[in-house]
Amino acid sequence: RKEVEQDPGPFNVPEGATVAFNCTYSNSASQSFFWYRQDCRKEPKLLMSVYSSGNEDGRFTAQLNRASQYISLLIRDSKLSDSATYLCVVKGTEGTGGFKTIFGAGTRLFVKA
Amino acid sequence: DGGITQSPKYLFRKEGQNVTLSCEQNLNHDAMYWYRQDPGQGLRLIYYSQIVNDFQKGDIAEGYSVSREKKESFPLTVTSAQKNPTAFYLCASSRQGDEQYFGPGTRLTVT
Repeated sequence: RKEVEQDPGPFNVPEGATVAFNCTYSNSASQSFFWYRQDCRKEPKLLMSVYSSGNEDGRFTAQLNRASQYISLLIRDSKLSDSATYLCVVKGTEGTGGFKTIFGAGTRLFVKA
Repeated sequence: DGGITQSPKYLFRKEGQNVTLSCEQNLNHDAMYWYRQDPGQGLRLIYYSQIVNDFQKGDIAEGYSVSREKKESFPLTVTSAQKNPTAFYLCASSRQGDEQYFGPGTRLTVT
């Protein structure tokens, strides 16, 4: 089982649609969770952190379910400019006392006019 | 402007040559990372450093080497021992335990 698993995608949606991305993680001791966005041939950029209480930033809502080890990202009223790959990222401590960051493989989103 | 810079953006080398990729940050971050991304694939960790003069191997360190002599700099050398060096190389930095910020990447092509 992969440490971080995402929907394989791609997702093809019309403008204005609501789209949900799902991510599961295997390490129950994971402490921090993030969603990144990566445009084609560009670097990943932080979209939002994911808090236990859930958080919202405009059209974007992220939620965390620690019991189920599950993270989600919801995009409402999708725009053409939302087309990108969305990466789920999980961070936790490792045996040496440092931090280990695991990136999911990403889910590609295509928003069509 | 604070940020992470990588140079060059595109790099072409002949097989058998070592090549060094630059990564500099002025964010005062302690931790720095090197990732490799192949077409349609996720990020794979090559090396990381949590503090100056210390670094650890990631998941795919074979054929690569790094140094961390200064807090701001974490260069990556792709050696001739790396069997498939052509890839998109991404450098990132973070405060300990926080989210990572990425540089614009270097596309390396080895022929």
